[in-house]
Formats: sequence, structure tokens, C-alpha cells
Amino acid sequence: GAGVSQSPSNKVTEKGKDVELRCDPISGHTALYWYRQRLGQGLEFLIYFQGNSAPDKSGLPSDRFSAERTGESVSTLTIQRTQQEDSAVYLCASSPQAAGVGETQYFGPGTRLLVL
Amino acid sequence: ELKVEQNPLFLSMQEGKNYTIYCNYSTTSDRLYWYRQDPGKSLESLFVLLSNGAVKQEGRLMASLDTKARLSTLHITAAVHDLSATYFCAVGRVDSNYQLIWGAGTKLIIKP
Repeated sequence: GAGVSQSPSNKVTEKGKDVELRCDPISGHTALYWYRQRLGQGLEFLIYFQGNSAPDKSGLPSDRFSAERTGESVSTLTIQRTQQEDSAVYLCASSPQAAGVGETQYFGPGTRLLVL
Repeated sequence: ELKVEQNPLFLSMQEGKNYTIYCNYSTTSDRLYWYRQDPGKSLESLFVLLSNGAVKQEGRLMASLDTKARLSTLHITAAVHDLSATYFCAVGRVDSNYQLIWGAGTKLIIKP
């Protein structure tokens, strides 16, 4: 079946512009995660959705970052007034059930964001 | 604060050799994951380890967990070129059922 998809795959933008990143999880997956991966580093947790609700937004780096999920399906991560330090790969993952011990996350290919 | 360290961060080895990647973490956890990432591709789940002494094997890869030492190892036996990738460990926070803390990754290059 189809895996997690993300779009766009690459995005180049100018400092100060807003960008919107999209994630389509595996159909029927309840949990959805966003991560940021800077070059040569591990993944940094951003936000988790259980259904359409995000119980914890504390991983978002600043108030320029926001995310939403609708229909217990597609999610968008929006970065307003982008800064050069926002340049990274943004990864989305989903899992079949609510987050729990041992729950495997299935990852999308990521969106590579470059802010000039 | 939970911190995760992997070493080495880079490893170049010849086919046929054995080697081990280490993942140390700083505080108690109830779950540890190993993932593989090929360049430009998604992360792929390899193993989930949930208890002290857990050992899992898939092909030439074997992962183990020692919760008392807060250490997991990923052992590669008789490496082949296809295993070239970046390997990440991720450790779960006990105060959160969804947050994982990730190591920086080990880039493994296996020369034919």
C-alpha cells in the first residue's frame, strides 16, 4: 500500500516568506508526527497529533511554526517569516494507533527546505 | 533531560568484516528503536527493543539492549555493500508516550 507522502520534496524560499509543508499519512493511521532534521544531526521532535488534536506543541521551535491536521488525515506544517536557521529537512511520520510503548513510526521522504 | 549519544558517527569498513554501533542514553527509558536511512530516502524501522536483555536479529544485523547500562548495540556481521546507510537510534521518554530523543546517526560505508 501507499506509504507516507510529503510535498513538496524540495522548497527554496527567501527569508521572510511563509512556507507550507504537507504530509499525507498512511490511510487509517491515527498518530502523526513532525520532525526536523538538520544536516548531520538526529531528528528533533516538533509536534504530535492524536487524531486531529495536538496534545503537546512544546516542541515547536517558535511561534512562527504552526501545524494542523484535518479529517484525521492530511497535516500541514506552516513556517511564517522564514529564517535561514529554518533550513532543514522536515520529516513526517505516522503510526497505526495512538502513541505508545513499542509503536513503530512510518516515515515519509521529507521536505528539504532551504531559506536564502 | 534525556540525551542520546551514538558512536561512531562515521564508519568505513570492508565487506566481510564485523562491527558494532553503540547507542548510549542518559536516563531511564522504556523503549529504544533502531532506524536505517538511505540517502534521499525515508527512515526505515529496523528494531524495537522494550526490555532489558532484549535481542533481535534480522539478517546480518543484530540489536541488543542493556537498560541497566543504558546501552544498545547494533552489531553487523560479515558486512555487505547493501548495508551502507545511516543508522539512527531513538530512545523514548518515560514521561511521554510519543516523544523520542534521537541520536545523531552513524553513517556506515561498506566498501566492496
